[in-house]
Amino acid sequence: EAGVAQSPRYKIIEKRQSVAFWCNPISGHATLYWYQQILGQGPKLLIQFQNNGVVDDSQLPKDRFSAERLKGVDSTLKIQPAKLEDSAVYLCASSSWGTHEQYFGPGTRLTVT
Amino acid sequence: KNQVEQSPQSLIILEGKNCTLQCNYTVSPFSNLRWYKQDTGRGPVSLTIMTFSENTKSNGRYTATLDADTKQSSLHITASQLSDSASYICVVSGGGGYQKVTFGTGTKLQVIP
Repeated sequence: EAGVAQSPRYKIIEKRQSVAFWCNPISGHATLYWYQQILGQGPKLLIQFQNNGVVDDSQLPKDRFSAERLKGVDSTLKIQPAKLEDSAVYLCASSSWGTHEQYFGPGTRLTVT
Repeated sequence: KNQVEQSPQSLIILEGKNCTLQCNYTVSPFSNLRWYKQDTGRGPVSLTIMTFSENTKSNGRYTATLDADTKQSSLHITASQLSDSASYICVVSGGGGYQKVTFGTGTKLQVIP
């Protein structure tokens, strides 16, 4: 079974620039999560999708962050414009219907200079 | 407020020694508790999952315990190896909402020769 795929693995941008991350969950997983993990901290949930609908985006900074999951499969997370404090690893995870077992991708390490 | 606290924040042990990591939570209602291992630069990988009725669960040299009354869990690592060097994150599911999870901040373990 293929795991959760994310790209790019690394990204360096200047502040005020835009960036987008892509996630392909495990086939058949209805629930998709985006997390932000700042160095030395645990992951913080940004947004949770159930199929292509948003279940929880209470901690998503909506003035600069956006995410979509068209057709309920792949998802993209965008930051526009980026700030220095957005430097972090962005993790994507997926889980199947009715379970709490989340499978994580390798993450995208973002550095904002 | 749903919270998961882990201790210690970091730990250094000699190869071959045992260690125990702690997790206290206030998540309610409780569904299950997971321990994840996160290697540097990688996404978290699940080690164990425990439901309300389970007191202990093992996965090789990893043994997790759960006391649902005191809302405490521990992860015991036996005969540590250099490859055990990683962050260990306690994750509790529940607390209302669909498949809601709360992450601890993790314990960073370093095993030295």
